[in-house]
Amino acid sequence: QVQLQESGPGLVKPSQTLSLTCTVSGGSISIGSYYWSWIRQPAGKGLEWIGRIYTSGSSNYNPSLKSRVTISIDTSKNQFSLNLSSVTAADTAVYYCAREWCSGGSCYLVYWGRGALITVSS
Amino acid sequence: SYELTQPPSVSVSPGQTARITCSGDALPKKYAHWYQQKSGQAPLLVIYEDSKRPSGIPERFSGSSSGTMATLTISGGQVEDEADYYCYSTDSSGNHWVFGGGTKLTVL
Repeated sequence: QVQLQESGPGLVKPSQTLSLTCTVSGGSISIGSYYWSWIRQPAGKGLEWIGRIYTSGSSNYNPSLKSRVTISIDTSKNQFSLNLSSVTAADTAVYYCAREWCSGGSCYLVYWGRGALITVSS
Repeated sequence: SYELTQPPSVSVSPGQTARITCSGDALPKKYAHWYQQKSGQAPLLVIYEDSKRPSGIPERFSGSSSGTMATLTISGGQVEDEADYYCYSTDSSGNHWVFGGGTKLTVL
């Protein structure tokens, strides 16, 4: 059973860079037709897709966040990471990592981490 | 940017059928997937590729899609089905993915 676990600082100061890591267990991050994705959810609001990365390193980002987001993958550590720069209070949210299965142009998120609350505040 | 539109809320009595819709311009050519999220939990996939049900999801959950609208149907809703439901799909390019705004299902 694949498991994902988010880790990172719970508090980030405005204008700084938010950095989160997702550690994958129960399977190799470099095997299979999977994208590794980040999603966030502000308190009391809906889900927002942030972006994803394939094992080859190719990535897709939400156009509204693209200028501030970088997702990277470290197959040697079985981890992938999210960097979000120039954060403001609007970036305060629960951040989820997830594994996305893709086949024939159809992609869907199957395994999710439990989520990590990140607060942006001075 | 691409958007998927859902009703904010749906209410049914126990045993009744609940239908949650999701509209988007690319849905005639792109699959919709559905997630259930209970309070304080990560989302759970309940329907993928418009109408397929993952193992372990009760048969009362079903999905369909026609034109620009996908529909999640819960036949004989139970109190335990109270949750937020989100549709998930991609724009016509296939490179940008989006969630619908979410629908709060109340069963009482």
